[in-house]
Amino acid sequence: GAVVSQHPSWVICKSGTSVKIECRSLDFQATTMFWYRQFPKQSLMLMATSNEGSKATYEQGVEKDKFLINHASLTLSTLTVTSAHPEDSSFYICSAREDSYNEQFFGPGTRLTVL
Amino acid sequence: AQSVTQPDIHITVSEGASLELRCNYSYGATPYLFWYVQSPGQGLQLLLKYFSGDTLVQGIKGFEAEFKRSQSSFNLRKPSVHWSDAAEYFCALLGYNNNDMRFGAGTRLTVKP
Repeated sequence: GAVVSQHPSWVICKSGTSVKIECRSLDFQATTMFWYRQFPKQSLMLMATSNEGSKATYEQGVEKDKFLINHASLTLSTLTVTSAHPEDSSFYICSAREDSYNEQFFGPGTRLTVL
Repeated sequence: AQSVTQPDIHITVSEGASLELRCNYSYGATPYLFWYVQSPGQGLQLLLKYFSGDTLVQGIKGFEAEFKRSQSSFNLRKPSVHWSDAAEYFCALLGYNNNDMRFGAGTRLTVKP
């Protein structure tokens, strides 16, 4: 089946630093990938849609300058949390849409803790 | 606008008892519907999905769900719950443009011994 990986699985950083999270589709090509954020005991909220070779589309209320998304290849999208602050601490989950299927395949998530 | 409602925030059932988790959706056409399970600190695991065809869908781990268009529902069921089923369950809807997946708020399942 379609597998999506995320790296790192967890990261702890100091306030003010930047953190990059990678999302890879391991056995399929994904023109479109998605980034979600999940606060404790809450549901997933779509942050942005990442399109290979073009700019990401951000959901309302998501700061594009703070959450930089790069989708440079058909198997890799990165989310960079710039100048992270404690309120950015969350569980970040990516998904990738296999181009011929009406389905998104989810990565295992990245736990970000900002001290 | 599309949305998913999971009316039950938390459900407790005894091991061996039957389970039904409710999911209602709002969408202008027939959506693609999914049920995911999430254990603490883990990612999402797909239990089952409905795209079209037979309205009773079988999934992994003995779960099934029934799509009822008249009730805009896609409830998840399991005839006999195991302690390992304790987790958070999310119902999700994928819109026609295939980009906008909406999740319900989730239902936390506790299984009593």
